[in-house]
Amino acid sequence: KNQVEQSPQSLIILEGKNCTLQCNYTVSPFSNLRWYKQDTGRGPVSLTIMTFSENTKSNGRYTATLDADTKQSSLHITASQLSDSASYICVVIGRDTDKLIFGTGTRLQVFP
Amino acid sequence: KAGVTQTPRYLIKTRGQQVTLSCSPISGHRSVSWYQQTPGQGLQFLFEYFSETQRNKGNFPGRFSGRQFSNSRSEMNVSTLELGDSALYLCASSLAGSTASGNTIYFGEGSWLTVV
Repeated sequence: KNQVEQSPQSLIILEGKNCTLQCNYTVSPFSNLRWYKQDTGRGPVSLTIMTFSENTKSNGRYTATLDADTKQSSLHITASQLSDSASYICVVIGRDTDKLIFGTGTRLQVFP
Repeated sequence: KAGVTQTPRYLIKTRGQQVTLSCSPISGHRSVSWYQQTPGQGLQFLFEYFSETQRNKGNFPGRFSGRQFSNSRSEMNVSTLELGDSALYLCASSLAGSTASGNTIYFGEGSWLTVV
């Protein structure tokens, strides 16, 4: 079983709408949790990094939240744009293993 | 400044051959890490080098190896290629270790390897 599960697997929204992507993890203890955006055929780009003690982190229209008690994180995208069409990947770093554990990603498509 | 550069971008190899991929990190970055990305398994960590020493290693067979040079440039090698090695291989660099809190890692565009 994946230690980092993301939902939904894919999502289609209209331009201008908001959306929220989910990340549930079992990695424990962990040191930090990250969200990446990956355009098709490109390398991932960092959106946010949160330590276990942080609850929220924003980067422009992207806001990540973290609930370490329930082991859940979400990425909220506000006023979506066509350029937001990409895969969004949640990554958890285990404190003991010190390795990046990747979720399988959510494929977001934004249509005009 | 220049980003992480990976070469080659695309390559095709046959089963049993070996391949070497190259990565030039962002200037000043001492950590280089490698990842494999496939449609079925997603992104998986291969290994990380810091100041020419392997700092961490993922769960891949010994056919996958790497090294880092004194100028922080890194190479990864896959020997005795199998069809399942077809993937996008990503390199990333960072100032400190790749997993350090608050430490952003920067990915290259990747090398697409097809094994036939």
